[in-house]
Amino acid sequence: DAKTTQPNSMESNEEEPVHLPCNHSTISGTDYIHWYRQLPSQGPEYVIHGLTSNVNNRMASLAIAEDRKSSTLILHRATLRDAAVYYCILHNQAGTALIFGKGTTLSVSS
Amino acid sequence: DAGVTQSPTHLIKTRGQQVTLRCSPKSGHDTVSWYQQALGQGPQFIFQYYEEEERQRGNFPDRFSGHQFPNYSSELNVNALLLGDSALYLCASIIRDRGSSEAFFGQGTRLTVV
Repeated sequence: DAKTTQPNSMESNEEEPVHLPCNHSTISGTDYIHWYRQLPSQGPEYVIHGLTSNVNNRMASLAIAEDRKSSTLILHRATLRDAAVYYCILHNQAGTALIFGKGTTLSVSS
Repeated sequence: DAGVTQSPTHLIKTRGQQVTLRCSPKSGHDTVSWYQQALGQGPQFIFQYYEEEERQRGNFPDRFSGHQFPNYSSELNVNALLLGDSALYLCASIIRDRGSSEAFFGQGTRLTVV
């Protein structure tokens, strides 16, 4: 799986939007961009994934650059429950394992 | 629908002992992955089972072995435990989604080796 680069940590205030960046300059044409998050003392949970077009779901939005070399996970209104480690992962083979990096630790203040 | 369940939740073992961790995937999911997560690190992929066979393996020694049963549940075995094996062990059940996969994780088993 191709490599991703994320900031080690980010801070946000409650009820403000949060933009979590991910660089993946060596992405291939078949790589999907996945985001998972891990809340304290829990296993990771799926957030969102996409291939080329921007994606929205109830948890977040995924904005993918036109050249696909970077993407941004957008939390529209951060809450204290969004404090977690966010992982950006590239994956292109159905049924094979997801490989995690170190992720971004998001802190949310009230 | 029950999610991914792992047992036990916590475990303390002595160096040199052997341990078995168990995982039941989500209903209908036939692929199980195991991960090791040390404190402050991201999950490290150990191996993945599908149709009762190990299909993919990460960079872990042979002390780490596994098994998948016909009902898709899985076990992770670690022999000759080292202090460095202390970690959170996560199980994930995998579904195929178009050209990629989605993983559903359990809460993990916290293993402490003393």
